[in-house]
Order: sequence, then structure tokens, then C-alpha cells
Amino acid sequence: QQQVKQSPQSLIVQKGGISIINCAYENTAFDYFPWYQQFPGKGPALLIAIRPDVSEKKEGRFTISFNKSAKQFSLHIMDSQPGDSATYFCAAADRGSTLGRLYFGRGTQLTVWP
Amino acid sequence: EAGVTQFPSHSVIEKGQTVTLRCDPISGHDNLYWYRRVMGKEIKFLLHFVKESKQDESGMPNNRFLAERTGGTYSTLKVQPAELEDSGVYFCASSQAWNTEAFFGQGTRLTVV
Repeated sequence: QQQVKQSPQSLIVQKGGISIINCAYENTAFDYFPWYQQFPGKGPALLIAIRPDVSEKKEGRFTISFNKSAKQFSLHIMDSQPGDSATYFCAAADRGSTLGRLYFGRGTQLTVWP
Repeated sequence: EAGVTQFPSHSVIEKGQTVTLRCDPISGHDNLYWYRRVMGKEIKFLLHFVKESKQDESGMPNNRFLAERTGGTYSTLKVQPAELEDSGVYFCASSQAWNTEAFFGQGTRLTVV
């Protein structure tokens, strides 16, 4: 049973556009929501993370929007660049659990065309 | 500082054979995790070590998988005997404490033919 559902599976965006990836969860015990970025041949790397006490977190061109009542969160990449082309995973961790014990979505392959 | 290192990068073995994957965590990281991604699916948790002790092995698929972390340093994940459905990318991650970020290795791509 998949605990975190991610969409879309793939996304093509033009350079300068906005990339949006969505995730949804059911487990109300989740209280840590990171996004990971993975380039080919590399492991996933933490990009940005949010806790449910805030509705939005921004780091540079990357923003997480969090809707606690809907149990949804999304990643927005503003001014998308070809260097952003990668696979993005959303994830979640349980309240009180180790932050390394993660439930991942299936990933979104982002391609940014120049 | 070296990151999480995994060996080998790729492994192709025949069904029924044994394979051992190795993970060297970041120095000083007590927490070590194994994950697996089967093609097209989510990255799934396998188990968690704190030093040399298995803290959580709820994600281990079956008793063909054996993970060890001797001395609380590097870890190995042995699959014996390997089956076709074991194919996928195996990731190792480590973190300094239970409430700090986990850093992932580059993964080992295992193909069972």
C-alpha cells in the first residue's frame, strides 16, 4: 500500500516556466515532508523540507506548499532551468520517528527544455 | 568529507546466485538505512541500523535478505539466493542522529537474470 502518492510521473517544461509536482498522503502521523532531487547516476539529495506547522517554505527558486487539511503538498520550481532536469521524489516521515525512515512517492522525471 | 559510498555500482547475477552489496556511511553517522527502488516504483525502506543494532527491519522482503553492520561502521546486504524480482536499485543512506537529515549513496543497480 503506497503511503505517499506523487504526480505527474513525468513533466516537460520550457526554460523559464514553472514546474509543479504534487503529492498526497493519508497517514496523519506524518509530520516531516522532504523533497529529494536525483540526477542520473547519483543518489537522492535533500532539496527542501517542510513541517506541517507552516503552509509554505521557500528556498531560492524552490517552494513547498503544504495543505494540512487536504493532506497534500507540492513542489514549485520557479524559472525552471535545464540544470533542474532530474527526478524529484516527495517523501514523508512519522512523528517521533527517525528522519531517515522515509516513505517515498514514485518520483517525477522533470525535463526542462532550453 | 566523503559521502555515503556504495559498492558495486552495478551487479548482474543469475537467478539463484548470491550477491553482497556494501555501504560505507559518512564517518561518525550512527544511523544507517537501506532502501530499494524497483523500476518505476517508489523508493522503499528496507531497514535501519543504529550503530551495529537493527532498529527497524520491517521493510525486509523475506529471509533471503540479510543485512549486517559489524562494528557499527560499514554495512552489507546479502541476497541469497537471488530471484528475478530482486532486481532494482539499492540505496544506502546515513544520518548522524535520529532527527537529522539522511544522506544517500549513489546506489547499486542489481540485475538478476
